[in-house]
Amino acid sequence: GNSVTQMEGPVTLSEEAFLTINCTYTATGYPSLFWYVQYPGEGLQLLLKATKADDKGSNKGFEATYRKETTSFHLEKGSVQVSDSAVYFCALGPGGSQGNLIFGKGTKLSVKP
Amino acid sequence: DAGVIQSPRHEVTEMGQEVTLRCKPISGHNSLFWYRQTMMRGLELLIYFNNNVPIDDSGMPEDRFSAKMPNASFSTLKIQPSEPRDSAVYFCASRRRTGGEYGYTFGSGTRLTVV
Repeated sequence: GNSVTQMEGPVTLSEEAFLTINCTYTATGYPSLFWYVQYPGEGLQLLLKATKADDKGSNKGFEATYRKETTSFHLEKGSVQVSDSAVYFCALGPGGSQGNLIFGKGTKLSVKP
Repeated sequence: DAGVIQSPRHEVTEMGQEVTLRCKPISGHNSLFWYRQTMMRGLELLIYFNNNVPIDDSGMPEDRFSAKMPNASFSTLKIQPSEPRDSAVYFCASRRRTGGEYGYTFGSGTRLTVV
């Protein structure tokens, strides 16, 4: 079945450091891929998405490229801020309009000033 | 747009009591999802509805859990009787079903503590 594997955290970085959070997936068909972010005490918010191979999703300085050949959707940011401290979830949605999202276990990011 | 509204935000109850969590999805969204989040198990999908009809309830842990969606603007998740292991944050999310678009919007969650 479909699944998502994220790198385990926590990840601790200094402000302005480069961020990569790895995400790989297993899926049949042509899923859409997502990154969600959860700030402390809040629900998950959609950060970015990509709906087909080679698409790049981007938002708030974060980027991720849908790589079908490596079944990956790694999240990157060139210069993190303290305000980026949160839990990041990679997710996969089956192709078509049916069904639910499958989430990874989440990666906690802490950014120190 | 008020977003997905969940109530209550926090609930503390004694073991054995009935607990009802409530969710109002975004108007026009016709899929609704209930998730549970714990440190040990992460995010778990409990049940989801399309057009108010339960589609997949395989994630509901046991018969003590039940969910209803009587209309497009309201859903409940009930636990009866509650147990300490039910302590978690419960999220509701809604989605507009269009082809290839999975714009889930999550509520802020209900933090349930069963003592």
